Amino acid sequence: SQTIHQWPATLVQPVGSPLSLECTVEGTSNPNLYWYRQAAGRGLQLLFYSVGIGQISSEVPQNLSASRPQDRQFILSSKKLLLSDSGFYLCAWRDRDRAHFGDGTRLSIL
Amino acid sequence: AQKITQTQPGMFVQEKEAVTLDCTYDTSDQSYGLFWYKQPSSGEMIFLIYQGSYDEQNATEGRYSLNFQKARKSTNLVISASQLGDSAMYFCAMREGPGSNYKLTFGKGTLLTVNP
Repeated sequence: SQTIHQWPATLVQPVGSPLSLECTVEGTSNPNLYWYRQAAGRGLQLLFYSVGIGQISSEVPQNLSASRPQDRQFILSSKKLLLSDSGFYLCAWRDRDRAHFGDGTRLSIL
Repeated sequence: AQKITQTQPGMFVQEKEAVTLDCTYDTSDQSYGLFWYKQPSSGEMIFLIYQGSYDEQNATEGRYSLNFQKARKSTNLVISASQLGDSAMYFCAMREGPGSNYKLTFGKGTLLTVNP
């Protein structure tokens, strides 16, 4: 069966520090992968998506970047975090009629 | 421009009654898919129902059904016989076609509260 792993579950980082959030998928090959950010009580903002290794589409210009070094690995990064980067980050992969989500990472910036 | 529009920030419904959550979308693709997700306060995203752009029948899954009006580009979620556990945030989403690299965009959500 397919599963998606996302870690860490919670993260507290100081302003200006780097960030690396990792997402891996099992049980499927060449998945479409997505990173979303959700501010408290708000909708899901699409940050990046990828249809294959090394192929990244960016939705909004911001302080973050994404990479897909392997078929089932999707990484969200930042060199220097801002206060506005706080939020709930969700990774997802999609098959034909469903998107499967990780458990999310709650990121707090101090 | 918004790809997915959910015009109801909040909705209230009495237990056991039906409720309709609105969603309109915007795409130039011929092939696309529409999803609804439920997000309780725990934060997990729970898949509810899917409608493909070429599906002629409205999708149904248990108490959930879609009122899919392709010409109007709307896909409203109908929840029948509401339960207290239905209180949550509901998101409409659209998966676009290969020309858009299968972009998957969500609306801002509707917070549904079911009253006893």
